[in-house]
Amino acid sequence: EAGVAQSPRYKIIEKRQSVAFWCNPISGHATLYWYQQILGQGPKLLIQFQNNGVVDDSQLPKDRFSAERLKGVDSTLKIQPAKLEDSAVYLCASSRTGAPGDTQYFGPGTRLTVL
Amino acid sequence: SQELEQSPQSLIVQEGKNLTINCTSSKTLYGLYWYKQKYGEGLIFLMMLQKGGEEKSHEKITAKLDEKKQQSSLHITASQPSHAGIYLCGAYMDSNYQLIWGAGTKLIIKP
Repeated sequence: EAGVAQSPRYKIIEKRQSVAFWCNPISGHATLYWYQQILGQGPKLLIQFQNNGVVDDSQLPKDRFSAERLKGVDSTLKIQPAKLEDSAVYLCASSRTGAPGDTQYFGPGTRLTVL
Repeated sequence: SQELEQSPQSLIVQEGKNLTINCTSSKTLYGLYWYKQKYGEGLIFLMMLQKGGEEKSHEKITAKLDEKKQQSSLHITASQPSHAGIYLCGAYMDSNYQLIWGAGTKLIIKP
């Protein structure tokens, strides 16, 4: 079974530029998560999708971040415009159902550096 | 303050020695997960514990959840260089469906 795929693996941009990250979850997984992980901290949930609907986006900075999962499979996370404090690893994870007790499987992450 | 506290923050251990990492909460944990992360990369699932007193092992790694379901420990026996990395615990608390994470424990293995 193929794991969670993410691209790109690394990205360096100037502040105020825009950037997009892509994630393809494990086949058949209904729930997809985007996390932001700043160096030395645990992951912070940005948005959770159940199929193509949003379950939780309470911590997504909606003035600059957007995410979509149009067909309920792969997803894109966009930042526009980027700020220095957005430098982090962006992790995508998926789980079969999203219920507590269901394991989340993570992709390799995208390391974003904003200069 | 962190809802899920991990200790120690970092650990340097001689190869072959045993070590323990702790994950503590003031709230009841409904599902406690342990993951391992190589620097700047994704998280690799290790184990999940749900019941008070539960213990699971995989190769040389053993995880336990205490009876009160407020603390978990991860124990590595006879550490090897491949064990180096960051260990993260995550848990569901109360009826919140969002996974809460600890800040991680950085493990370095000295040859």
